Amino acid sequence: DTGVSQDPRHKITKRGQNVTFRCDPISEHNRLYWYRQTLGQGPEFLTYFQNEAQLEKSRLLSDRFSAERPKGSFSTLEIQRTEQGDSAMYLCASSLSGASYGYTFGSGTRLTVV
Amino acid sequence: LAKTTQPISMDSYEGQEVNITCSHNNIATNDYITWYQQFPSQGPRFIIQGYKTKVTNEVASLFIPADRKSSTLSLPRVSLSDTAVYYCLVGDEGRRALTFGSGTRLQVQP
Repeated sequence: DTGVSQDPRHKITKRGQNVTFRCDPISEHNRLYWYRQTLGQGPEFLTYFQNEAQLEKSRLLSDRFSAERPKGSFSTLEIQRTEQGDSAMYLCASSLSGASYGYTFGSGTRLTVV
Repeated sequence: LAKTTQPISMDSYEGQEVNITCSHNNIATNDYITWYQQFPSQGPRFIIQGYKTKVTNEVASLFIPADRKSSTLSLPRVSLSDTAVYYCLVGDEGRRALTFGSGTRLQVQP
């Protein structure tokens, strides 16, 4: 297992277009998280899944954002009608459930909305 | 969720020991303290986690006093490659996702 994989690494899109990102977690990890990070700031939590169930969503996750994790394996994050303010690094992490396991992050997808 | 406060930035020189302290006055009984390291254009990397007293691994040590209202990440003999942002997080990963603050930017000079 090579860790958490995210695809694509970079995405440039025009304002108003829809984009979808994919995250493949570490295979034995049942939890998967999405974070967003803008320049100079720490990662902001968006949502997380335990297996296929979406257990928590941030208020940052507007109606234009949707995340899925079918069959509890990979996950997708879709942004509809992108805005310039959506430009950021989108980070995916996975972990085992429990109080004392750290997260393993992927390298992120950098989104630029022009 | 317990909030954390840590210095915005720190400077050091190669070979020195660096201690980054994080305050978390409202830490809950079930909360763990976790530190992550992040390099530019990469995702954060888990460094160390602890609940109380002292934890040491091959990378760092984590000191937690008895009241658990603060913690100190200690990096022995830093090198240029330790230049990064370090995040202190407090939470019960079993229940809620972790919340990142703004972190501490460590700059190591030759």
